[in-house]
Amino acid sequence: KNEVEQSPQNLTAQEGEFITINCSYSVGISALHWLQQHPGGGIVSLFMLSSGKKKHGRLIATINIQEKHSSLHITASHPRDSAVYICAVTHYGGSQGNLIFGKGTKLSVKP
Amino acid sequence: DADVTQTPRNRITKTGKRIMLECSQTKGHDRMYWYRQDPGLGLRLIYYSFDVKDINKGEISDGYSVSRQAQAKFSLSLESAIPNQTALYFCATSDPSDSSGANVLTFGAGSRLTVL
Repeated sequence: KNEVEQSPQNLTAQEGEFITINCSYSVGISALHWLQQHPGGGIVSLFMLSSGKKKHGRLIATINIQEKHSSLHITASHPRDSAVYICAVTHYGGSQGNLIFGKGTKLSVKP
Repeated sequence: DADVTQTPRNRITKTGKRIMLECSQTKGHDRMYWYRQDPGLGLRLIYYSFDVKDINKGEISDGYSVSRQAQAKFSLSLESAIPNQTALYFCATSDPSDSSGANVLTFGAGSRLTVL
C-alpha cells in the first residue's frame, strides 16, 4: 500500500465547476505539500501546510491531521487549471528532507 | 533566469553510454535533490545532499552517482545508461530555514532522458 494516496487519479470538469482533489497518508508527517505539474512538465509548489487551511487565489488547501487527510479545492475552475496535482508529505522521523509523493491527479478542465 | 536550471532538457542516448545531468541553482539553498518521474509511479528520490560534503542515497540510487561541486551545483551521472533509466529527471532545492523541519521545494524544469 502506498504511503500517500490521491483520489481521483483522473478528473474531467467543465469550466466554472468546483473541484476537489483528495490526499490520504499513512505516516507521521511534519508537513504536507501540494504541487502542480504543468503539461510541459514543470513542477511548482502551491502550498505547504501542517495544520488548518491555506488559500491562494482560487486555490484552497486543507489538512486534517487526526484523519491524515488533505484536500485541494479549486473554485471557478478554468482550462488553465488543467495539470497534474501532486500531494507530498515530509515524513516525520524519516530521513530529513525526504518527501513521499503521491502519484498525482490529472485534471482536465473543458471550456 | 530560472531559480533551478537543468541541462540538458532533452537527451537521447544509447545503452552503455555515460550521461551527466547538471543542475545549478540561484536560490542559495543548501539542500538539493535528484528525483526521477515515471508514468504511474510518481516522483522517486535518487540522491540528496544537505551541503557540499553531504551526499545521501535515496530509494532508487542503484545505477546512478552524484557530485556536489558547490553549494549551487549538483550533478547526476549514469555511468552506463540502460533503457529502463528512460525517464523524466528533476532537480530540486529546498529551504532549510523552516523550524518545523518541513521544506518548500523549488524544482527545475526537468530533463527528459531516453536510452535506446
